[in-house]
Amino acid sequence: DIVMTQTPLSSPVTLGQSASISCRSSQSLVHTDGSTYLNWLQQRPGQPPRLLIYKISNRFSGVPDRFSGSGAGTDFTLRISRVEAEDVGVYYCMQGTQLLSFGGGTKVEIK
Amino acid sequence: QVQLQQWGAGLLKPSETLSLTCGVYGGSFTAYYWSWIRQPPGKGLEWIGEINHSGSTNYNVSLKSRVTISVDTSKNQFSLKLSSVTAADTAVYYCAGYTGKFWGQGTLVTVSS
Repeated sequence: DIVMTQTPLSSPVTLGQSASISCRSSQSLVHTDGSTYLNWLQQRPGQPPRLLIYKISNRFSGVPDRFSGSGAGTDFTLRISRVEAEDVGVYYCMQGTQLLSFGGGTKVEIK
Repeated sequence: QVQLQQWGAGLLKPSETLSLTCGVYGGSFTAYYWSWIRQPPGKGLEWIGEINHSGSTNYNVSLKSRVTISVDTSKNQFSLKLSSVTAADTAVYYCAGYTGKFWGQGTLVTVSS
């Protein structure tokens, strides 16, 4: 099984500043088809998760360009630029290369 | 646009069987695997298992002995059964597809005597 490890656990950020979340997988997420199935999800309080980024760096429909993803192999990063109040929530990395598994989550809150 | 709508019983007694169904509206039902995922109160996401349109399944090894996922391609629906539930199975259960692109609204299942 692929284990996903996220850091930090919590990220207090000032409005308008940036936040970064790291995610590391226990093995390479490069699929035999050449794609890397690493996604980032946002979960606002009381809501289901929502896809932000798929295959490392592709923003899903309707996602603001303040959200960006990067990385390769086993190390990945989600960056939120110019944080807004609506960005408060828990962010999860998720791999779909070998079945599905999730990171433990990072709580983004406003200072 | 793909929409997932799920339904099923929300309150169970210990030892009963959890049963949920998810309907898929729009998009391609045959192109992807369809998953069940759960989230205990205040905790993170746990993948339960998945199925494709032909009935091929994969399960989380920690739940495999109690889980059955089935599909009804005539209705574009897939279902979850989890047997012998205990309080530890209390969670919000989600259906999801397209490798996490689309999610159901979630169903809170509470196990209590």
